[in-house]
Amino acid sequence: DTEVTQTPKHLVMGMTNKKSLKCEQHMGHRAMYWYKQKAKKPPELMFVYSYEKLSINESVPSRFSPECPNSSLLNLHLHALQPEDSALYLCASSQDRGAYGYTFGSGTRLTVV
Amino acid sequence: DAKTTQPNSMESNEEEPVHLPCNHSTISGTDYIHWYRQLPSQGPEYVIHGLTSNVNNRMASLAIAEDRKSSTLILHRATLRDAAVYYCIRTDSNYQLIWGAGTKLIIKP
Repeated sequence: DTEVTQTPKHLVMGMTNKKSLKCEQHMGHRAMYWYKQKAKKPPELMFVYSYEKLSINESVPSRFSPECPNSSLLNLHLHALQPEDSALYLCASSQDRGAYGYTFGSGTRLTVV
Repeated sequence: DAKTTQPNSMESNEEEPVHLPCNHSTISGTDYIHWYRQLPSQGPEYVIHGLTSNVNNRMASLAIAEDRKSSTLILHRATLRDAAVYYCIRTDSNYQLIWGAGTKLIIKP
């Protein structure tokens, strides 16, 4: 298995809702990442988990809460989002710190209404 | 912070070679150069990466200047499926990706 699987592919949520994005990989990668991508822009790093521990938080607002239950799973919990949080949310994984490249999922297209 | 600069867009004819340039004039000695491409509504896809020497794989070649201040991604025979946004990226000392703005590659049949 050489894929990163993200669910759901599309999500529409209201500003008072709580929802979660899920990411899964079975390549034995020990680093996992959340990125946010706005239209016509490169992805922006949000969080990095290394060996199931949060190692980087790029000053992301607390309405985004990451969780890494085990080495294969990564969740992003969403609460009280704003319309400007609408974007494509990408999950990625890598062996250790990524010197050998990264594998990205297809993303979750999030719309906040 | 070191900048990675790429042309906004490029056009090429189908079945011809494509050379995508990238400038990274302040890259440090340990930064890798990566290329990823992204199709609409999909996640980025790894293309190739290297440090100092030129690199080849089944998708492309990467030519790195001797002073490492620039590099070129070479698609040897472009097809319509190669139309995408191509990102030139350097890694920092923690191997995190520092993305360029991307080049939109248009392939004309």
